[in-house]
Amino acid sequence: EIVLTQSPGTLSLSPGERATLSCRASQSVSSSYLAWYQVKPGQAPRLLIYGASNRATGIPDRFSGSGSGTDFTLTISRLEPEDFAVYYCQQFGSLPLTFGQGTKLEIK
Amino acid sequence: QVQLVQSGAEVKKPGASVKVSCKASGYTFIGYFIHWVRQAPGQGPEWMGWINPNTGDTNYAQKFQGRISMTRDTSITTVYMELSRLTSDDTAVYHCARIFCSSPSCYFDSWGQGTLVSVSS
Repeated sequence: EIVLTQSPGTLSLSPGERATLSCRASQSVSSSYLAWYQVKPGQAPRLLIYGASNRATGIPDRFSGSGSGTDFTLTISRLEPEDFAVYYCQQFGSLPLTFGQGTKLEIK
Repeated sequence: QVQLVQSGAEVKKPGASVKVSCKASGYTFIGYFIHWVRQAPGQGPEWMGWINPNTGDTNYAQKFQGRISMTRDTSITTVYMELSRLTSDDTAVYHCARIFCSSPSCYFDSWGQGTLVSVSS
């Protein structure tokens, strides 16, 4: 099973700042099969990034993804108030599909 | 538009079973696998398995083998996930999700709203 470790667990930033979220895999994951989701309380997850670096439909360009192999990054260039949420990475490269434990992005 | 609408919250006693439904609309039902993912309080999401709505084939995470069943009814474009021998550890929000694969990537592009299953004596 591929374990995804996200860091930091909590990130405290202010609107307008840049957020950098990390996702590290216990073994190599094809970039094609790495996705990022945003989750807000009481809502279904929202796909942000697929294939490590492709923005999903309707996702603002302040969200970007990068990385390969075992290290992946989600960057939010300038935080908007609606961006404060929990973010998860997920791998589709092998079964069982796995998710990271999440990074909570909170307002400082 | 693609929609996955799940059944309502459930409260169950330990040892009981729960069956959650997920009604799909807005796309060709048999064209996309449906996965189930759950999220317990304070934990990350956990993948449970998938069903192929076209054939009924399934693949379950080893952790749930023997007490999970995924089925579908194509006449009403609905998939079901049944989990038996519930314990308090099964208290979680359960989501269905459609997987979309466009070479070379795959991802969950649409999710159900979630069904809270609470297990308590």
